[in-house]
Amino acid sequence: DAKTTQPPSMDCAEGRAANLPCNHSTISGNEYVYWYRQIHSQGPQYIIHGLKNNETNEMASLIITEDRKSSTLILPHATLRDTAVYYCIVRSSNTGNQFYFGTGTSLTVIP
Amino acid sequence: ETGVTQSPTHLIKTRGQQVTLRCSSQSGHNTVSWYQQALGQGPQFIFQYYREEENGRGNFPPRFSGLQFPNYSSELNVNALELDDSALYLCASSLDRERDEKLFFGSGTQLSVL
Repeated sequence: DAKTTQPPSMDCAEGRAANLPCNHSTISGNEYVYWYRQIHSQGPQYIIHGLKNNETNEMASLIITEDRKSSTLILPHATLRDTAVYYCIVRSSNTGNQFYFGTGTSLTVIP
Repeated sequence: ETGVTQSPTHLIKTRGQQVTLRCSSQSGHNTVSWYQQALGQGPQFIFQYYREEENGRGNFPPRFSGLQFPNYSSELNVNALELDDSALYLCASSLDRERDEKLFFGSGTQLSVL
């Protein structure tokens, strides 16, 4: 099963773009990359997901490298409410499509 | 459209007891997954139910069991509670088991075992 590696913590100034990296070098060709975030031990909240192409929605952009071994989540204009733990997840297609969460990146947005 | 709801929100049990946690899936969703999240860790997959049958299981002992009902709501049962079972238990629902399907999580049940 593909695993992900993320930096444990990052800071970002309010109003600036937050770029959160993720390595997933063992990803299989048909496995999607998902990003979720979790605030104050609430349930994780879906942000975005993708397979090969870059994706954008109202919350964020997802940039996946051509070899698919890494990706970057971009929050274009970080606000204080974006302070959370961000999880990069590769969804396993081998075991019931379960999500494997790592320990994530704790993002702190600084005023 | 209602989201995923879990009950109770908090629970305190003692070692050796049994506990049942409940989850109502999002309207129209037929797949429910349960996750355990220890303090400071990411959620860990316990098992998934699809149309009332277990569809996958993580590395958890048999004393963790579940059910899914015809209305797709679900229960997580834990027998012979241990101190290490103290955690946030998360339920997530999805429309189906597709590779690119999104999971929608509830707010969780915080279980404390004393």
